[in-house]
Amino acid sequence: SQTIHQWPATLVQPVGSPLSLECTVEGTSNPNLYWYRQAAGRGLQLLFYSIGIDQISSEVPQNLSASRPQDRQFILSSKKLLLSDSGFYLCAWRSGGRDEQYFGPGTRLTVT
Amino acid sequence: EDKVVQSPLSLVVHEGDTVTLNCSYEVTNFRSLLWYKQEKKAPTFLFMLTSSGIEKKSGRLSSILDKKELFSILNITATQTGDSAVYLCAVARDLISSGSARQLTFGSGTQLTVLP
Repeated sequence: SQTIHQWPATLVQPVGSPLSLECTVEGTSNPNLYWYRQAAGRGLQLLFYSIGIDQISSEVPQNLSASRPQDRQFILSSKKLLLSDSGFYLCAWRSGGRDEQYFGPGTRLTVT
Repeated sequence: EDKVVQSPLSLVVHEGDTVTLNCSYEVTNFRSLLWYKQEKKAPTFLFMLTSSGIEKKSGRLSSILDKKELFSILNITATQTGDSAVYLCAVARDLISSGSARQLTFGSGTQLTVLP
């Protein structure tokens, strides 16, 4: 069966510091991968998606970036965090031909 | 711009009550409508609906889609405290015509609280 991992689970970082969040998927190959952010009391905002290694598309311009160095690894990064980057970051995967996405446990990021 | 609107924003009921959650949408290239349950952490998948008028059912939860009127409802009968969660509605559409990427546009969710 497929599983998706994210780490860290929680993170408190000062403004201006770098960020690296990692997501890995097991039990499937060539998944579509997604990064979302959820602000408190809000729906999920799509940040990046990837249909394959080194194929990244951005949905929202910001100071975040994403990379996919391996088939089942998706990384969200920032060189300098802003206060507005605080939120709950979720990674999700989808297999070809299906619409539903399955989410990892998430990372709660607080920028101070 | 794609829109998914859920109502009510929040709902407080007592155990045993029946609730109906609403989701309306305006999305180009609609493929399907999905419901998720979110309890503090990651959303978990409940249903996917693609055809109008066909009810999907899982235990005490059921959902139906109306593609003409562009809405869906999620019913929960005989609610239990464990049903307390945010229920998210999402609509799927293709992101690029030649690829396999597919976008989910989410509503803001309905916060359901079930009191004992």
